[in-house]
Amino acid sequence: SAVISQKPSRDICQRGTSLTIQCQVDSQVTMMFWYRQQPGQSLTLIATANQGSEATYESGFVIDKFPISRPNLTFSTLTVSNMSPEDSSIYLCSVGTGVDSNQPQHFGDGTRLSIL
Amino acid sequence: GENVEQHPSTLSVQEGDSAVIKCTYSDSASNYFPWYKQELGKGPQLIIDIRSNVGEKKDQRIAVTLNKTAKHFSLHITETQPEDSAVYFCAATRGGSARQLTFGSGTQLTVLP
Repeated sequence: SAVISQKPSRDICQRGTSLTIQCQVDSQVTMMFWYRQQPGQSLTLIATANQGSEATYESGFVIDKFPISRPNLTFSTLTVSNMSPEDSSIYLCSVGTGVDSNQPQHFGDGTRLSIL
Repeated sequence: GENVEQHPSTLSVQEGDSAVIKCTYSDSASNYFPWYKQELGKGPQLIIDIRSNVGEKKDQRIAVTLNKTAKHFSLHITETQPEDSAVYFCAATRGGSARQLTFGSGTQLTVLP
């Protein structure tokens, strides 16, 4: 399966600041997604990162708060803007490999974000 | 949209015993059901998946069953080992596996030596 690298692995930030998380894959992938996992909770999809176009956001998530870029088929970034303590979570990148939509989805190890 | 419920939230078993985790889904159009294992400090790892045209799938000590009529699917782990201790998540999606996943709430499995 694809090797997915996320940077940074963890960070502690001040409220009101922004942080950009990077997701790098070692091979071209068709689909890239960003999820949020709040402490002790399940995973919630933030958005689908579309190559060459604007991301598709899920209900409750907006572009101004979580701008996403996907300049090519191996890389994406998620920015968490104007952070507050409620944004303290694990942010996870996942990818769907291959050109067939029936290929499994794999996750990176996530970015553990704490807001003071 | 899809809603996935997962039970139990915590499960403790003795080493060597079996563990069963159950999930139900709401969208009858869902056709792909993966299971993930998440260890502390790691991202979710796919351990097994099943598609709606199959009733059961097995991979060594892990098996998944799917009942489309009742809209539920289960993970079975036999001969549990301490390294099986982790949080397990079920998920469901329609339109193929590389689509948005809806996750269950997770099950913390503890295998006691």
